[in-house]
Amino acid sequence: GAVVSQHPSRVICKSGTSVKIECRSLDFQATTMFWYRQFPKQSLMLMATSNEGSKATYEQGVEKDKFLINHASLTLSTLTVTSAHPEDSSFYICSARVGGRDYGYTFGSGTRLTVV
Amino acid sequence: QKEVEQDPGPLSVPEGAIVSLNCTYSNSAFQYFMWYRQYSRKGPELLMYTYSSGNKEDGRFTAQVDKSSKYISLFIRDSQPSDSATYLCAMSVGGGFKTIFGAGTRLFVKA
Repeated sequence: GAVVSQHPSRVICKSGTSVKIECRSLDFQATTMFWYRQFPKQSLMLMATSNEGSKATYEQGVEKDKFLINHASLTLSTLTVTSAHPEDSSFYICSARVGGRDYGYTFGSGTRLTVV
Repeated sequence: QKEVEQDPGPLSVPEGAIVSLNCTYSNSAFQYFMWYRQYSRKGPELLMYTYSSGNKEDGRFTAQVDKSSKYISLFIRDSQPSDSATYLCAMSVGGGFKTIFGAGTRLFVKA
């Protein structure tokens, strides 16, 4: 089945530094990828939708200059958290739409970001 | 009012019990209904999906959609400790519209 590989699984960084998270579709082409943030015991909050070769669409309230998304190829999307602060500590998950279907996205395994 | 409401639990049941997980929603335009399972510190994985109304069965899992009541359910028969996870319902209008997730219900199955 379709697999999305997400790296790193866990990262600890100092306040003020930037962190890049990668998501790769391993056996399919992902023209659209989604980036979510999840707080403990809470649901997935969609941050942005990235489309290959075009600018990402950000959800209301998400700072596009802080959360940089790049979808330069059909198999790779990246999320860069710039000038990270402790409040950015969270679980970040990507997902991809497979074959243009409207149901059931495939998710990455998530990245636990801790900013100290 | 949230578009999708789901009781976060936790729900604790003994092994072998039948588990019922539910979500309600307000947007009558939803056509695709999904259930995801998420283990701790992992990404969600798709368990089942249903288009429009009706039931769908897959092994020990049964998904039900009642569009007239705007209510969906996931039943787990003969629950196992390995079923312990957070279960998220999700819905979509389709046509490229974004998927809306419930808050997730934490399930614990005790051996």
